[in-house]
Amino acid sequence: AQSVAQPEDQVNVAEGNPLTVKCTYSVSGNPYLFWYVQYPNRGLQFLLKYITGDNLVKGSYGFEAEFNKSQTSFHLKKPSALVSDSALYFCAVRDINQNDKLIFGTGTRLQVFP
Amino acid sequence: GAVVSQHPSWVICKSGTSVKIECRSLDFQATTMFWYRQFPKQSLMLMATSNEGSKATYEQGVEKDKFLINHASLTLSTLTVTSAHPEDSSFYICSATDTGKGNEKLFFGSGTQLSVL
Repeated sequence: AQSVAQPEDQVNVAEGNPLTVKCTYSVSGNPYLFWYVQYPNRGLQFLLKYITGDNLVKGSYGFEAEFNKSQTSFHLKKPSALVSDSALYFCAVRDINQNDKLIFGTGTRLQVFP
Repeated sequence: GAVVSQHPSWVICKSGTSVKIECRSLDFQATTMFWYRQFPKQSLMLMATSNEGSKATYEQGVEKDKFLINHASLTLSTLTVTSAHPEDSSFYICSATDTGKGNEKLFFGSGTQLSVL
């Protein structure tokens, strides 16, 4: 079965510093990977996706993610964090064997301190 | 960009009543919509896949008679929580795929916070 794992419940970073939110995946076949962000009491917003092509994917709000096949990882990164980046981040994988539904990780809460 | 509208945003109801949540794709057609449930500080759990013109596909452990899903058109899916109880209190989120663009980008509604008293 397809799955993703987010090993960190929370990540704390100072404003202006680089941030990394980790995600590892387990899939059969080619992975279709996604990152979403959720602000309090809101739905999810799409950040970026990896389907094929360049391993470094650039997305919304200055975020990027690096697909690493050998490490089965898809970590979310940003060179310089903003306080407004504080939110809940979800990694997800598309399960092509089950109606293309998205399987989400448990989420990582990012806290950016001024 | 594509927008998914979900209503209501908040609903408070008495135990035993039924609540309907609507999910609309505003500028695209969605053959498939998904309904998720999220408990505080937890991930989204897929409840069911809503297919236009056919029965929904429910995930294991989800009571189909309790969570009624109707997807009567390409732009509207509804989730009805029947005979709601306090344990049904949760954040419900729908999502939809732009049929013409595949599932590379799933659009989410803003969610519905259900509180059952």
